[in-house]
Amino acid sequence: GAVVSQHPSWVICKSGTSVKIECRSLDFQATTMFWYRQFPKQSLMLMATSNEGSKATYEQGVEKDKFLINHASLTLSTLTVTSAHPEDSSFYICSARDLLAGGDNEQFFGPGTRLTVL
Amino acid sequence: LAKTTQPISMDSYEGQEVNITCSHNNIATNDYITWYQQFPSQGPRFIIQGYKTKVTNEVASLFIPADRKSSTLSLPRVSLSDTAVYYCLVGGERNQGGKLIFGQGTELSVKP
Repeated sequence: GAVVSQHPSWVICKSGTSVKIECRSLDFQATTMFWYRQFPKQSLMLMATSNEGSKATYEQGVEKDKFLINHASLTLSTLTVTSAHPEDSSFYICSARDLLAGGDNEQFFGPGTRLTVL
Repeated sequence: LAKTTQPISMDSYEGQEVNITCSHNNIATNDYITWYQQFPSQGPRFIIQGYKTKVTNEVASLFIPADRKSSTLSLPRVSLSDTAVYYCLVGGERNQGGKLIFGQGTELSVKP
């Protein structure tokens, strides 16, 4: 099946620094990738939709200047948490859609990135 | 996007069949119904997807009544390793940008 990877799998950073998280579709092309955030014991919250070659679409309440998304190719999207603060500590998960998949709607999720801001 | 409602938690024992029902009263004509499984500190894993009637694969069955306002995920003979959170989602159509909105999910606990 289609595989989505994320790097790093976990990261610890100091408050005020920026952190970049990569999301890659390893064996398929994806024009659209999605970024989610998940706090402990909570569901996934969609943050933004990342479209290759265009600006990302952010969900209501998500600061686009704080969570920078770049989708430069059909296999890579990056999420940069700028000036991270402890409240940004969370589990960040990406997903991607396979353009060539027979099923129209299946999304493949990455393993997640655990961000801890000290 | 249609909102979904699921039981917050369920308990079961090894070897039993588990049925998790999801309500989605406002499902749109083009919406698919998809179920995902998530283990702690991992990304969700696709289980099954359907549009109407019944769908079966090697791990589960999905039952969808004619009005499509609900769906039931059936897990046959669960094991301890099936302990996870199960999410029911509707939507994801290309004309909606493919977005999937997660509800609260059902935390399934399988006991020996």
